Amino acid sequence: GQQLNQSPQSMFIQEGEDVSMNCTSSSIFNTWLWYKQDPGEGPVLLIALYKAGELTSNGRLTAQFGITRKDSFLNISASIPSDVGIYFCAGRSSGTYKYIFGTGTRLKVLA
Amino acid sequence: DSGVTQTPKHLITATGQRVTLRCSPRSGDLSVYWYQQSLDQGLQFLIQYYNGEERAKGNILERFSAQQFPDLHSELNLSSLELGDSALYFCASSDRDGRGGANVLTFGAGSRLTVL
Repeated sequence: GQQLNQSPQSMFIQEGEDVSMNCTSSSIFNTWLWYKQDPGEGPVLLIALYKAGELTSNGRLTAQFGITRKDSFLNISASIPSDVGIYFCAGRSSGTYKYIFGTGTRLKVLA
Repeated sequence: DSGVTQTPKHLITATGQRVTLRCSPRSGDLSVYWYQQSLDQGLQFLIQYYNGEERAKGNILERFSAQQFPDLHSELNLSSLELGDSALYFCASSDRDGRGGANVLTFGAGSRLTVL
């Protein structure tokens, strides 16, 4: 099925470090969503983006809607152990009903 | 608690069998989406309903079917099950039909299906 490309696929970082991940698409999107999934749980919405160039923060998380409308970025500052999990991006094109999800970035934080 | 309720949480069955997964959306949400997540994979879109009508279809197998009832709960039916159908099945709901802006998905905790 159709998926977005996320990178990196996984990363180990030290507690306190900043984290960056991105999501790219071959299609233009008019909405980007970022989710976090803990093991055995459903994804939880972190940030929603609706406009090209938009920069939105949620605590230590900041996400940006790429100018080309084909990419999005998520940054986590000063990571803590509870940031461990899988981060998914999801995008939707104008005039369509479905969200396409990225392949996920698995984050592991070393205390 | 996200407000989206999925049952059962776990289900173990044999190949060739049929199962039904149930989803109750958040109060006030009219749209229901179904996604499949195989081991260590992303979320694959299966199907979406809005207020009882099918609105979008993904790579849903012919052996799978779904519907949304007048009370807005939805059921995903999986038949002639194969080993490869083992996965987490997530339901998500939204208050909009999905095409307009400001539409976000709220996910349930998922139903884990194991086919032996």
